[in-house]
Amino acid sequence: AQSVTQLDSHVSVSEGTPVLLRCNYSSSYSPSLFWYVQHPNKGLQLLLKYTSAATLVKGINGFEAEFKKSETSFHLTKPSAHMSDAAEYFCVVSDESGGSYIPTFGRGTSLIVHP
Amino acid sequence: GAVVSQHPSRVICKSGTSVKIECRSLDFQATTMFWYRQFPKQSLMLMATSNEGSKATYEQGVEKDKFLINHASLTLSTLTVTSAHPEDSSFYICSARSSGAVGNEQFFGPGTRLTVL
Repeated sequence: AQSVTQLDSHVSVSEGTPVLLRCNYSSSYSPSLFWYVQHPNKGLQLLLKYTSAATLVKGINGFEAEFKKSETSFHLTKPSAHMSDAAEYFCVVSDESGGSYIPTFGRGTSLIVHP
Repeated sequence: GAVVSQHPSRVICKSGTSVKIECRSLDFQATTMFWYRQFPKQSLMLMATSNEGSKATYEQGVEKDKFLINHASLTLSTLTVTSAHPEDSSFYICSARSSGAVGNEQFFGPGTRLTVL
C-alpha cells in the first residue's frame, strides 16, 4: 500500500524568502513522486517529478525537490518566493501496488506569500 | 506537454437532472483516465479509474449507478452525474495517462465546476 503525508496544511512566507513544503511517503515498491500546483478554481499543473533517476529534481518556476529514500521524504523547495507562487500544492505518490499505478494524493499545503 | 481538456468548465443545473462532463486528451492517446472530485479547500478524491474499452473501476463509496463513466475511445472519457442533487456540487477533475507515460505521469484537465440548485 502507498500513502503520502503533507505535514503542513498551511505555510506562510514573505516574498523573497525560501519556501519549504514537506512531504513524506510510504511505498512498498519503487515509487514515482510528483508535486502539482493548483491555483484557485483551476486544474493541476505539474511542477516536477521523480521517477528513479536523479534524486535531486528540478522543476518549473524555480522549484526543486530531493528524493531521500532513507527519510522517505520528497520535500519541495524554492530559494525565493514570488507572490505568484501563492497556491495549493499537492504531493502525489504512485507505485505498482495491486498491479496498477493508481496515484495517491496528499491533503495539500496552502502556500501564502506576504508582500 | 500533453494537453487534456474538459467540457464544460462550469455548469449549473436543477436538482434531479443529469449532467455529462467530457474529458479529452488532445495530443496523445490516453489508455487510462481518472476522475476526481474536490470539495473546497480539500484534496482530490479519486472516484474511478477507466481504461479504454473496459468498465470503470470505482473507488469504495462511489456509487457507480450515479456516476456513470464511459471511456469509449483513446481520447475521450465522459462522466455523467445522474439525478444530481445539491450534495453533488463539487469541482470535478479528470486526468489522463498514456501507455508510454514516463513514471506514470498523469495530465490533468482544467476541471468542471458543478453547481446543483
